[in-house]
Parts: sequence; structure tokens; C-alpha cells
Amino acid sequence: NAGVTQTPKFQVLKTGQSMTLQCAQDMNHNSMYWYRQDPGMGLRLIYYSASEGTTDKGEVPNGYNVSRLNKREFSLRLESAAPSQTSVYFCASSGGSGYTFGSGTRLTVV
Amino acid sequence: KQEVTQIPAALSVPEGENLVLNCSFTDSAIYNLQWFRQDPGKGLTSLLLIQSSQREQTSGRLNASLDKSSGRSTLYIAASQPGDSATYLCAVRGVSSGSARQLTFGSGTQLTVLP
Repeated sequence: NAGVTQTPKFQVLKTGQSMTLQCAQDMNHNSMYWYRQDPGMGLRLIYYSASEGTTDKGEVPNGYNVSRLNKREFSLRLESAAPSQTSVYFCASSGGSGYTFGSGTRLTVV
Repeated sequence: KQEVTQIPAALSVPEGENLVLNCSFTDSAIYNLQWFRQDPGKGLTSLLLIQSSQREQTSGRLNASLDKSSGRSTLYIAASQPGDSATYLCAVRGVSSGSARQLTFGSGTQLTVLP
């Protein structure tokens, strides 16, 4: 089925460890996004990519980096994980039919 | 900065009732508005997308309206069912450049439909 695929679904990291969250879409969308969702804070934009080859900061970019590898793939990297980055991370893409979200990555930093 | 508010935060209704969820936004210069559903521990499922030039959209038992001038949208659910129980999120896409052009979410309405 067409959509947005995120991996992994769950991850536990120790403080200071690094990891990359992967996202791929097969909807031929130009724009892709990374959000985090926290209780009481709602969904907040971390980074976005309006088109292949471009990336821009969202509302909460500190502690993260992104790579738009090609039109399909947009990855999110935590270089040195902190407990404040414990959250659920969602990747999304957008086109004429609005935004489509992946199923999320639940990340715990201990 | 765009702010999106959803009222009520939680709602519990008996099965079969018609109900309305409310969404308000502070900046009426929007590109579109999208309603999502989120089940516990799951991702977001798109329900309805209303472009800024439209007044409403319908899908099955769902109807969403948009009044851009007053900064309001409503999601109407007819003949509610227990399977409708979920959190409903309203999101607005702006027309300004940069990150302001991206989706801004409300905090959601948690709906419980009792059998």
C-alpha cells in the first residue's frame, strides 16, 4: 500500500548514544517532514524538506540533523541523545491530498 | 504565530449520538485545514482536507466545515459508533513562507463513544 514507512518502530537509547530514524514515502511527494509528539505539547515540527536537496528548521530543531537522501527518503539523526528527546517521532509527506503520516517511532532515552 | 485550539479536550457520548468537534485558529490566512484521527499508540490517519477556498468536505458519516473569516472549523460525526473512539486532531497549513507554511496542530479532542 502506498504510504509513509518509518523504521524502527521502537528504540531505547542510552544518553549520549546516536541513532538515525529512517523514513521513506512512495507517494511521489516533494515535501517531507519530521514531527515529535509529546503529552501536553501536541505535535511539533522538527525539520522539513520542501523538495529534494533542501532542508529547513522547524519549531524544535535543536539536537537533531536531517538528510534528504533522495525524493523518497528523509532521515532524522540524533547525534548525542538526551532524555529530553524521549518522544514519539512521526515522519510525513505532503501533496495535493494533504499530509500523510507514518506510524511513528517510539524513542526512549535513558 | 498561528495557534490552533480544540474544544472540548475530551468528550464522552453514548452510541448513536451526533456530535460536533470544534477547532479554532488565530491567523485566517491559511492554505488548507486537515482533520486527522489518532488511535492510542498509533499514527495519524487523515480524515478530511478542506482547501481555503472550500466551505465543507464530506466523507461518509463525517462532515467538516470551514469558516476562514472567523477562524473556525467543525467536524460533525453522525450516528457515532464505539469504533469512532479516538483522538481527533485539527491541523492548519499557513500561507507564509518557511516553517509557518507547514502544519500547525491543535492538541486534539479525545472522543469516547460508549456502547
